[in-house]
Amino acid sequence: DIVMTQSPDSLAVSLGERATINCKSSQSVLHTSNNKNYLAWYQQKPGQPPKLLIYWASTRKSGVPDRFTGSGSGTDFTLTISSLQAEDVAVYYCQQYYSIPLTFGGGTKVEIK
Amino acid sequence: EGQLLESGGGLVQPGDSLRISCAAAGFSFRTYAMSWARQAPGEGLEWVSGISASGGATYYTDSVKGRFTITRDNSKNTLYLQMNGLRAEDTAVYYCAKGDGATVTNFRWFDPWGPGTLVTVSS
Repeated sequence: DIVMTQSPDSLAVSLGERATINCKSSQSVLHTSNNKNYLAWYQQKPGQPPKLLIYWASTRKSGVPDRFTGSGSGTDFTLTISSLQAEDVAVYYCQQYYSIPLTFGGGTKVEIK
Repeated sequence: EGQLLESGGGLVQPGDSLRISCAAAGFSFRTYAMSWARQAPGEGLEWVSGISASGGATYYTDSVKGRFTITRDNSKNTLYLQMNGLRAEDTAVYYCAKGDGATVTNFRWFDPWGPGTLVTVSS
């Protein structure tokens, strides 16, 4: 199984400041056949199901604000919120879809400082 | 994008069985693989099971193999999860989610997710 490890577990950022979330996979999720990283990011607000933000490690889903950016390749990935807004308070998860079982990171809680 | 709505959760005793359902609308249900994922109270997300678009291939996480069965009825646009031999550690909100491909091995990302149904296993 591919283990996904996120860091930090939580972070507090001032409004308008940058938030950076890291995700590391126990093995590469880069498919050499198509040069794509099989990684997605989700946002989950309290009492709600997760929502897809980014797939293929860096492709923003339609409608997702451009302050959310995914980057990285192979085993190391980052989700950056360039200018934190109040509505971005949530838990963020990474997920690999390179192999079954599909696995998620443990989550990173983002709060306002 | 479509909509998903789970139902059938509730309070059961250890060892009991329960079937939860997920009604799909707004997309071609028979074209996409589907999955169940769960979230224990205060915990993270865990993929539980997936089924191909045709229903011919199913996959499970190790902790539920032999106890849970995923099925789908494409004529009713509905996904099911039959859970037998329930344990306290199965207590969670169960979400259904649509994949981006037709097979579980090509499931890719979960989008959309239903609002979830709570299953509580307790004596």
